[in-house]
Amino acid sequence: DAGVIQSPRHEVTEMGQEVTLRCKPISGHDYLFWYRQTMMRGLELLIYFNNNVPIDDSGMPEDRFSAKMPNASFSTLKIQPSEPRDSAVYFCASSFGQRYNEQFFGPGTRLTVL
Amino acid sequence: SQQGEEDPQALSIQEGENATMNCSYKTSINNLQWYRQNSGRGLVHLILIRSNEREKHSGRLRVTLDTSKKSSSLLITASRAADTASYFCATDENDMRFGAGTRLTVKP
Repeated sequence: DAGVIQSPRHEVTEMGQEVTLRCKPISGHDYLFWYRQTMMRGLELLIYFNNNVPIDDSGMPEDRFSAKMPNASFSTLKIQPSEPRDSAVYFCASSFGQRYNEQFFGPGTRLTVL
Repeated sequence: SQQGEEDPQALSIQEGENATMNCSYKTSINNLQWYRQNSGRGLVHLILIRSNEREKHSGRLRVTLDTSKKSSSLLITASRAADTASYFCATDENDMRFGAGTRLTVKP
C-alpha cells in the first residue's frame, strides 16, 4: 500500500482565496483524521471521520473551515476564505478498527497564505 | 494545559548514548502511544502500550508505563544521528491529542 496520500504537498495562495486540501487514506481504514501543525500551537486535531461520517469537529477553528468525506477513499479540507494565520502544515491520518488504534500519517500539505 | 505532556521539551545527546523522554497524563487511560516526527514529515507510530502492560520493547526502543504515577517513559538505547526527531505521546484520555513533544538531537 502507498500509505496515506495528500495533495498538494505545497500550496501558496493569497489571502481571501479558497484552498482545498486532499487526502486519500489507506485502503480499508475506517477512521480519518485531519490535523494542523504550527510552531505556536503544535499539532491540533481538527476533525475526524468514522466510516465517512464526521464524528468530532470541535477542533475546526471557525466556519471558514469545512471537511468532507464523500467516500471511503477520499476526503477534503477546505478553507474559504483563507487568511495568513491559516498558514501551517496540514496532516491527514487514517487508522483501522478503533478510534485509538495506531494512526498512519500522510506527508502533509504545507500551506502558505500571503 | 495540554494533556499527554512530554518532558523534557528538548534533549541533546551524543551518538551512542541513551535518550529518555517522559510523558505524563492526568486521569486514567486504556492505552498510550508514542510517535516520532522527523523534520518536515508526518508522524510515525512507534509503540502502543496498554494500561495492563508495564513495559514493551521494539528494537532499540523501550517503553514503560506506570499507571500509579500516570506516566510513561520512552528509552532509545545506543542512539544514532538518524534518531534526531521530535517524539510525541498521545493517550485515549485526551482523545489522542498530541502534546508539544520532545525535540531530540543526536550529535554524531
